[in-house]
Amino acid sequence: DIQMTQSPSTLSAFVGDRVTITCRASQSIDTWLAWYQKKTGKAPKLLIYDASNLESGVPSRFSGSGSGTEFTLTISSLQTDDFATYYCQEYKNYHTFGQGTKLEIK
Amino acid sequence: QVQLVQSGAEVKKPGASVKISCKTSGYSFTDHYLHWVRQVPGQGLEWMGKINPSGDSATFAQSFQGRVFMTWDTSTRTVNMELDNLRSDDTAVYYCCMAGSVYLPPDNWGQGSLVTVSP
Repeated sequence: DIQMTQSPSTLSAFVGDRVTITCRASQSIDTWLAWYQKKTGKAPKLLIYDASNLESGVPSRFSGSGSGTEFTLTISSLQTDDFATYYCQEYKNYHTFGQGTKLEIK
Repeated sequence: QVQLVQSGAEVKKPGASVKISCKTSGYSFTDHYLHWVRQVPGQGLEWMGKINPSGDSATFAQSFQGRVFMTWDTSTRTVNMELDNLRSDDTAVYYCCMAGSVYLPPDNWGQGSLVTVSP
C-alpha cells in the first residue's frame, strides 16, 4: 500500500500568514492527490484535486502543487475560517489519507 | 444537487455487526463511485473502501478486508455498509461520500453516522 506522510502535524500561525503543508507519498502517485479541510462535527470538504485543481467554490487563497511523491498545500493569507485540520489523500491506489495537519491560531 | 443522507447513530456490543445506510439523490446514477471513510475520536480520516455504480465491484482497504461489506440497493438508490465483528476501536463517525468518477476523489459527503461499540 501507498503510505502518505504529512508535515508538520501541527502548525501555529497568525491570521494573514502564508502557510504551507507538505504531503509525501511512499511511491509515485503522479498527480492523483486531493486535499481536504476537516472541522470538528462536520464532513470533510474537498479543496484541491489532481494535485493542483481548485474545487469549485473554494477560495483562491488555497493552492496545491506537486507531482510524483511530493506535494504542497498553500494558503496565501490565512483567514479565521481556515483554522482546521487538513488531510491529503492519494487516489491512485487505495485512497489512503495522510495523518493530518492541525492548523491552529497563534 | 447531489445529496447523501445517512442513517442515524448506533450503539453496538463487541462482536456484533452494524449496518449503515447512505441514501443518494440528485445525480446521474451511472458513473458515481460511493466511498466510506471513518474517523475514530481524536484520530485522522481512514478510507475503508468503495463500490462501483452497478454494485458488482468493491475495493476495500486491507485493514478492513473480510470484515466490511458494501451493497447498492438500486431501487432506493441506497448504499449499505456493514462492518462485522465490532471492537471498541471501531467506535467512530462513519461517512459515505461520492466521487464523480473513478478518476476523481469524493466531493460530496453524507452527514456522518456515529457508531459506538461498548460492552
